[in-house]
Amino acid sequence: GDSVTQMEGPVTLSEEAFLTINCTYTATGYPSLFWYVQYPGEGLQLLLKATKADDKGSNKGFEATYRKETTSFHLEKGSVQVSDSAVYFCALSSNAGGTSYGKLTFGQGTILTVHP
Amino acid sequence: DSGVTQTPKHLITATGQRVTLRCSPRSGDLSVYWYQQSLDQGLQFLIQYYNGEERAKGNILERFSAQQFPDLHSELNLSSLELGDSALYFCASSVGAGGANQPQHFGDGTRLSIL
Repeated sequence: GDSVTQMEGPVTLSEEAFLTINCTYTATGYPSLFWYVQYPGEGLQLLLKATKADDKGSNKGFEATYRKETTSFHLEKGSVQVSDSAVYFCALSSNAGGTSYGKLTFGQGTILTVHP
Repeated sequence: DSGVTQTPKHLITATGQRVTLRCSPRSGDLSVYWYQQSLDQGLQFLIQYYNGEERAKGNILERFSAQQFPDLHSELNLSSLELGDSALYFCASSVGAGGANQPQHFGDGTRLSIL
């Protein structure tokens, strides 16, 4: 079945440091890929998405590129801020047989803490 | 504010009991999804309803059931509760039946604690 593997956390960085959170996936067909962010006490918010190979999703300074050859969708940000402290989830939505499904399969989440 | 409303925010009950979690989707969204977030299992998809009909089923226990009403709100019923059911239950909604171009918007969750 579909699965998503994220780098283990927690990740602790100083403000303005470079961020990478690795994400790899296993899926049938051509899945769509997402990064969600969860701030303390809140629900998940869509951060960015990519729907096909070589697509780059970007939002709020975060970027991720859909790499089909390495089945990866790593999240990057050039300069993190204290306000970026949250839990980040990589997820996929299956597109097996050309049919889109709403179900999201999530990675285990990576806790990011940014210090001033 | 995602526009998805979940009630109650917290629920504390005992083993063997039954509870109902409620979700109101964003205005105009026809799909409702339920997810369970626990420390050992992570975030897992339970079930999806689209315009009142069950659309997809995930790792949902037989003790759990859900439905979507004509006004599109949804309820998740959990019965014969066990300690392992303690988790954060999220509801999400989307405009259509699902897919990359129909992002899911999440509520703030209901935290269920079984004593």
